[in-house]
Amino acid sequence: QKEVEQNSGPLSVPEGAIASLNCTYSDRGSQSFFWYRQYSGKSPELIMFIYSNGDKEDGRFTAQLNKASQYVSLLIRDSQPSDSATYLCAGSPTNKLIFGTGTLLAVQP
Amino acid sequence: DTEVTQTPKHLVMGMTNKKSLKCEQHMGHRAMYWYKQKAKKPPELMFVYSYEKLSINESVPSRFSPECPNSSLLNLHLHALQPEDSALYLCASSQGTGSDTQYFGPGTRLTVL
Repeated sequence: QKEVEQNSGPLSVPEGAIASLNCTYSDRGSQSFFWYRQYSGKSPELIMFIYSNGDKEDGRFTAQLNKASQYVSLLIRDSQPSDSATYLCAGSPTNKLIFGTGTLLAVQP
Repeated sequence: DTEVTQTPKHLVMGMTNKKSLKCEQHMGHRAMYWYKQKAKKPPELMFVYSYEKLSINESVPSRFSPECPNSSLLNLHLHALQPEDSALYLCASSQGTGSDTQYFGPGTRLTVL
């Protein structure tokens, strides 16, 4: 069983819409969760981290964590074509990050 | 400043060559990591250094040899690689291990002929 799971997509949304990216995890020992954005051929770039239940907002991005349901999400408001990338969810149950397989987001102009 | 630098950006090597990848951070982070990433896959952890000591080796073949000369530098020595080792090699650093945020460098694109 994979420890962090994501829908591989692609998730296609029109420009200006809200993109909703979801992630589930199996290890209740995970304390912190991270969202990375990765453009094709580039390295992962940290978007947000969250470790408390509830919502955390940063500009157009909102991360949501529900530890009871073992569910993490990332909302991107007013999606732009430049948001088109693979979004990696990662948890940290031990001394290392466990990545999901990533969700490919395509924002259509 | 959350910058991790890596050199070279691209590397092409034959199976009999010896080469090294370099990583540097000046954020005072005490943990540094090597990852390997193949196309359309997530990063795969190879090694973790904590306070300049190797703390995790994810059963990586001995043709990959890590080295941490000091708290700011991390090297990955390559020898007798196989074509299937071609990938993007990523370095990352964090304040500590565990749940601390990891920051990635730009990566080295390695091609083994």
